[in-house]
Amino acid sequence: NAGVTQTPKFQVLKTGQSMTLQCAQDMNHNSMYWYRQDPGMGLRLIYYSASEGTTDKGEVPNGYNVSRLNKREFSLRLESAAPSQTSVYFCASSEAKGQEVYNEQFFGPGTRLTVL
Amino acid sequence: RKEVEQDPGPFNVPEGATVAFNCTYSNSASQSFFWYRQDCRKEPKLLMSVYSSGNEDGRFTAQLNRASQYISLLIRDSKLSDSATYLCVVSKNDMRFGAGTRLTVKP
Repeated sequence: NAGVTQTPKFQVLKTGQSMTLQCAQDMNHNSMYWYRQDPGMGLRLIYYSASEGTTDKGEVPNGYNVSRLNKREFSLRLESAAPSQTSVYFCASSEAKGQEVYNEQFFGPGTRLTVL
Repeated sequence: RKEVEQDPGPFNVPEGATVAFNCTYSNSASQSFFWYRQDCRKEPKLLMSVYSSGNEDGRFTAQLNRASQYISLLIRDSKLSDSATYLCVVSKNDMRFGAGTRLTVKP
């Protein structure tokens, strides 16, 4: 099992460009999450999906959109990238259903994004 | 004030030392607590959950104090391989991560 995979691993964008970060999990988990990690800030939740077909905003959703394509895949889109979106982005999945977050979250290897 | 606060360190300790990290949280309604480990430029991985009665996993001991709203992690007999950043995680409706405490274990 690959666990949680993310593409790309690295990306450099110019301000105003758009891109989609891809995430897939093979653990049959219901819930999937997108976080960003910035120095001194800890991971912050951008969006999550409690089940296929549902998505909800997290702590820092502005400037992002998501799609839960199916149970396996959860993508994050930056429509018009800004330098403030320079960060490391992690996708995660867990068995939790709905608002339950008592179970372990499994993380992908991350995408390092730089916006110039 | 951050919801989850940790001493950023770094903690530099010799092999075999005992080291303790503390974490405080602001939401008294928090229900689940965890310690994650993150190696340099890698993803976080669950180290252990933290239970109300405290729990131990080998050289690692986690404690929870709900009244004072803090969580601790004790590492005994430190190994070089323990060098990493340790993230405190607290959840109610979603998971809130601390910024992490960096540990370096030296020979």
